[in-house]
Amino acid sequence: ELKVEQNPLFLSMQEGKNYTIYCNYSTTSDRLYWYRQDPGKSLESLFVLLSNGAVKQEGRLMASLDTKARLSTLHITAAVHDLSATYFCAVDKRMGNYKLTFGKGTLLTVNP
Amino acid sequence: GAVVSQHPSRVICKSGTSVKIECRSLDFQATTMFWYRQFPKQSLMLMATSNEGSKATYEQGVEKDKFLINHASLTLSTLTVTSAHPEDSSFYICSALTSGGAYEQYFGPGTRLTVT
Repeated sequence: ELKVEQNPLFLSMQEGKNYTIYCNYSTTSDRLYWYRQDPGKSLESLFVLLSNGAVKQEGRLMASLDTKARLSTLHITAAVHDLSATYFCAVDKRMGNYKLTFGKGTLLTVNP
Repeated sequence: GAVVSQHPSRVICKSGTSVKIECRSLDFQATTMFWYRQFPKQSLMLMATSNEGSKATYEQGVEKDKFLINHASLTLSTLTVTSAHPEDSSFYICSALTSGGAYEQYFGPGTRLTVT
């Protein structure tokens, strides 16, 4: 059974600081995704990581993937209040009809 | 592109009644759609995989007679919560799987169900 673990589950940080959210998964997977969810809203896709060593950046967020370690990171640079949200990582496997398995999510609060 | 809609966005129903939620892929055809449920401050849990023209595949622990899924066309899947109870109150999110090589899920905006 594929398991996805995120840590930390709660992250409170000050504006301007840097931090990293970690996502470990238990078995070989095809793709890793990062999503953002605002309260009461659905998921917003941030990144899709396809291969070992993949790195993608959008604004203050950068995601990377190490398939050998089964680890992805979401790095936040110089956090701003607007980044406050819950961040989920998820993985899928083509066997099993592309089902996504989600981590528990990281609730990020950026304080002024 | 790749827009998925859900209707209604919010619904309140009484215990014992049934409620139907629609999920539509607006600008692409989706042979496969997924239904998720999310309780407050928790992650998304896959309920079932909906395949056009065939029976849905339910995840372990999900009652298929309670959560009826119909995927009658390549752009529409419906989830009917039958004989709803307060514990069915949740945020229901659908996604549609693109094809043609990408095979990526696009999520709908979600439906907030409250059963009184």
